[in-house]
Amino acid sequence: DAKTTQPPSMDCAEGRAANLPCNHSTISGNEYVYWYRQIHSQGPQYIIHGLKNNETNEMASLIITEDRKSSTLILPHATLRDTAVYYCIVRVEPGNTGKLIFGQGTTLQVKP
Amino acid sequence: DTAVSQTPKYLVTQMGNDKSIKCEQNLGHDTMYWYKQDSKKFLKIMFSYNNKELIINETVPNRFSPKSPDKAHLNLHINSLELGDSAVYFCASSPHGGYGYTFGSGTRLTVV
Repeated sequence: DAKTTQPPSMDCAEGRAANLPCNHSTISGNEYVYWYRQIHSQGPQYIIHGLKNNETNEMASLIITEDRKSSTLILPHATLRDTAVYYCIVRVEPGNTGKLIFGQGTTLQVKP
Repeated sequence: DTAVSQTPKYLVTQMGNDKSIKCEQNLGHDTMYWYKQDSKKFLKIMFSYNNKELIINETVPNRFSPKSPDKAHLNLHINSLELGDSAVYFCASSPHGGYGYTFGSGTRLTVV
């Protein structure tokens, strides 16, 4: 699975959009981009995933560049409850082992 | 109704003891996992079972022994506990192949 690079931390004002970047320059054609988040003291939570098209669900939007070397997770109207560590993960789907490899992630602090 | 439930939530025990953590999922998923999150907050996979069969063992010490009596349950038994085993242990499940993980809320193990 390709490696990802994320900024260690970011701040965002409550009510504004939070844009979390992720670099995955070695991504292969059959690898998906997944985003999970971990709110303090809880288990990680699935947010969204995509292959090459932009995706949107009730939680967030995922923008993947045309060359697929980077992506951005967008929380359109961040709230204090969105404060968490956000993990960008790249892996083949369906994976032959099924495991998710977590990096250090981005700690997003949403401020009032 | 909790999708992935772990018990106990907290576990404090002395060095050298043997302890077990239980996990149950009611999602009908084929694959279950154990992850360890250490004091530096780094999440690392330990084991994965698919339909009661061990498919991932990430060079975890032999003192750790997972057991899956059926595909809805994955327990973790730890022998001769050491100080370094102190961590939060997360159970997770997914449909075969790793898509759409669901994590439990974690078991905080403290070895004194």
